[in-house]
Amino acid sequence: GQQVMQIPQYQHVQEGEDFTTYCNSSTTLSNIQWYKQRPGGHPVFLIQLVKSGEVKKQKRLTFQFGEAKKNSSLHITATQTTDVGTYFCAGPWWEDSNYQLIWGAGTKLIIKP
Amino acid sequence: DTEVTQTPKHLVMGMTNKKSLKCEQHMGHRAMYWYKQKAKKPPELMFVYSYEKLSINESVPSRFSPECPNSSLLNLHLHALQPEDSALYLCASSRNSGEQYFGPGTRLTVT
Repeated sequence: GQQVMQIPQYQHVQEGEDFTTYCNSSTTLSNIQWYKQRPGGHPVFLIQLVKSGEVKKQKRLTFQFGEAKKNSSLHITATQTTDVGTYFCAGPWWEDSNYQLIWGAGTKLIIKP
Repeated sequence: DTEVTQTPKHLVMGMTNKKSLKCEQHMGHRAMYWYKQKAKKPPELMFVYSYEKLSINESVPSRFSPECPNSSLLNLHLHALQPEDSALYLCASSRNSGEQYFGPGTRLTVT
């Protein structure tokens, strides 16, 4: 079946430093979705990328979808305390016409005190 | 309105109890999901309902029993759970195969 690998598992940064998380799929994806889960919270949808080579920005967050549509990245510039949380990528998967998301393991962003 | 609501927020139950988790959405989404999430792990899919019919059951033990009374409501009935079933239970909904909107979850502790 499909797998979505995500690295790193954790990233410790000083406030103001950049953060990047990477996702890699075992198969070509029709799209990739990114979610953020704050500590004690629930996953919140951030963005969906559909096109090969697509780059989208949301303020300090930059999302990229690879040319082969098998990998993706999320880059945060100049992290702030509000960025703390776990970032998940997820790819769609259909089995017998039934849709589900296959989730990466997540990358936890930790701001060093 | 992009809100999914879940009740209760917290639940403590013994291994012989029967309880139910409830989820509601009014976004007109026709797909609804139950996930289980353990600490430091991604959400783990349990069940998918599509147009009020169970379409995916990820080999979940029968002590978990889902129900979709109508297109806005999703229940998860719990019976004879084990301590290892303690987790955050998340409900989500989506427009067919689009992005998923999650409720705040029920934090379940089985004693």
